[in-house]
Amino acid sequence: NAGVTQTPKFQVLKTGQSMTLQCAQDMNHNSMYWYRQDPGMGLRLIYYSASEGTTDKGEVPNGYNVSRLNKREFSLRLESAAPSQTSVYFCASVESNTEAFFGQGTRLTVV
Amino acid sequence: AQRVTQPEKLLSVFKGAPVELKCNYSYSGSPELFWYVQYSRQRLQLLLRHISRESIKGFTADLNKGETSFHLKKPFAQEEDSAMYYCALSGLYGNKLVFGAGTILRVKS
Repeated sequence: NAGVTQTPKFQVLKTGQSMTLQCAQDMNHNSMYWYRQDPGMGLRLIYYSASEGTTDKGEVPNGYNVSRLNKREFSLRLESAAPSQTSVYFCASVESNTEAFFGQGTRLTVV
Repeated sequence: AQRVTQPEKLLSVFKGAPVELKCNYSYSGSPELFWYVQYSRQRLQLLLRHISRESIKGFTADLNKGETSFHLKKPFAQEEDSAMYYCALSGLYGNKLVFGAGTILRVKS
């Protein structure tokens, strides 16, 4: 039982490059989330998807786009990476206000 | 709007001392409150949620709607409790899950 799987684990981008962070869950959860974790700022919600086919902005959506491809997968795209997007990114999935399960994180550096 | 405030970035205590990690929230509806923990080199994981009213690893948390607080407490800290602790809030009907800034707990021997 894999739970929540994120790829890649590490990535270095040059300013202006694009990339997609992948997330997949095998628990049949309806809700999925993308967060970024920065020192002193905790986990900030970028986008979330309450169910397949829906997405909503969180606290810090600027510079990001998401796709809920199906119930299992929720991807996060950086169209033109900026140094301010250097962070650790976490994907999570939840079913009906129960426990959230997190991926192992993606450490992204933009130079 | 949903908001979670954890006023302490770092809490340092000696082994055996009591611990209280503070969490205050802002939400107009009925909240679901959680505490999550991130140990070194491990995934973020659920510690406890207010609705279950249970004690996990000696930690308890009581929802105080009057003070809009959900503080995490443990009477006697252990070195293995050293970790990052996040308070989180979700609305009753499964909307977005938001987290506080987190508190690093360091338990010294």
